[in-house]
Amino acid sequence: DIQMTQSPPSLSASVGDKVTITCQASQAIGNFLNWFQQKSGKAPKLLISDASTLETGVPPRFSAGGSGTHFTFTITGLQPEDFATYYCQQLFTLPLTFGGGTRVE
Amino acid sequence: EVHLLESGGGLVQPGKSLRLSCSASGFTFRSYAMTWVRQAPGKGLDWVSAINADGDKTYFADSVKGRFTISRDNLGDTLYLHMDNLRAEDTAVYFCAKNAGGASRPLRDWGQGTLVSVSS
Repeated sequence: DIQMTQSPPSLSASVGDKVTITCQASQAIGNFLNWFQQKSGKAPKLLISDASTLETGVPPRFSAGGSGTHFTFTITGLQPEDFATYYCQQLFTLPLTFGGGTRVE
Repeated sequence: EVHLLESGGGLVQPGKSLRLSCSASGFTFRSYAMTWVRQAPGKGLDWVSAINADGDKTYFADSVKGRFTISRDNLGDTLYLHMDNLRAEDTAVYFCAKNAGGASRPLRDWGQGTLVSVSS
């Protein structure tokens, strides 16, 4: 199975900050990587697919990039509603493993 | 609008069985692969199982292989997860999700989850 290592596990930030999360795959996965946001008690929400494509309706303050084994996810200008946990997920091969998550608090 | 509603969760003793259901609406169910993802209390997301649109190809995480079965009823627009020989570590909220195509495609739509607690 492909292991996805996310860092940091948590971070403290303030409204307006720029926040960056990284996700490292244990083997090359091309751009087969998605990013999710999950708020407490809710289902995950897909924010970014194919490593860098913003889903419809997702604000442009969210961005992401990378390919192969190293990926980044950035929030530029953190908003109050962005305090949540973020997960990466590889879609290169089954099982579609998730990173451990990054809590933005 | 896609709507996924899980049911069947509850408290079950170790070694027992449970069947989860996911009722789907708002899309052509028979055309999409479906996936189960779980989340243990306070933990991250854990991909569990997926099934293709026709229901003839199934995929499982190593942690549940041989104990869980995934199936679907394309006439009744329902996804199932049959869980045997449950363990304490299977305690989690179980989400069903719709793949954007095949079993390796993005999970754009999710249900709200159903809680399974395995305890004596």
